[in-house]
Amino acid sequence: KAGVTQTPRYLIKTRGQQVTLSCSPISGHRSVSWYQQTPGQGLQFLFEYFSETQRNKGNFPGRFSGRQFSNSRSEMNVSTLELGDSALYLCASSALQGNTEAFFGQGTRLTVV
Amino acid sequence: KNEVEQSPQNLTAQEGEFITINCSYSVGISALHWLQQHPGGGIVSLFMLSSGKKKHGRLIATINIQEKHSSLHITASHPRDSAVYICGGNLIFGKGTKLSVKP
Repeated sequence: KAGVTQTPRYLIKTRGQQVTLSCSPISGHRSVSWYQQTPGQGLQFLFEYFSETQRNKGNFPGRFSGRQFSNSRSEMNVSTLELGDSALYLCASSALQGNTEAFFGQGTRLTVV
Repeated sequence: KNEVEQSPQNLTAQEGEFITINCSYSVGISALHWLQQHPGGGIVSLFMLSSGKKKHGRLIATINIQEKHSSLHITASHPRDSAVYICGGNLIFGKGTKLSVKP
């Protein structure tokens, strides 16, 4: 069974631009969660999607948004990028919604210059 | 105060030593996860536990739900155990413990 796939792996963007990151969960998994990881803050929850609906949302500004498609693939978008958005963005795939066993992707390393 | 606190933040050990990483939480977590992250970013789920103890190879995780505390133990540590260990649950995680095992 293929694991969680995140694309792209690395990305460099300029302040003010927008970016879209993609996450393909494990086949059959319907829940995708997104996290931002920075050295100072650790893993911080962004949002959780299950069956194309956002079920939970973390404490991030509205510039951060996401969606999930009918095939469970998920995208997250960050608009008007700021230097502080530089981070590793990780998605996790679960069969069920909520606090269940999660499988993480390799992440997308975003650098904003 | 963070809802999930880990200690220590950094840990250096000699190969073969017994290692303990602690995790305390102040929120209701139905099941606690222990994650391992090697340099390069990828995260592996080590354990998910809601009571008692789980063992996988040289790794042991325990949890005390009443005290809201969990520990991760590594027996006979090895340089390949060098990684960041993260605990958490219900979408909230600690900042991680960076473990370095020297040969």
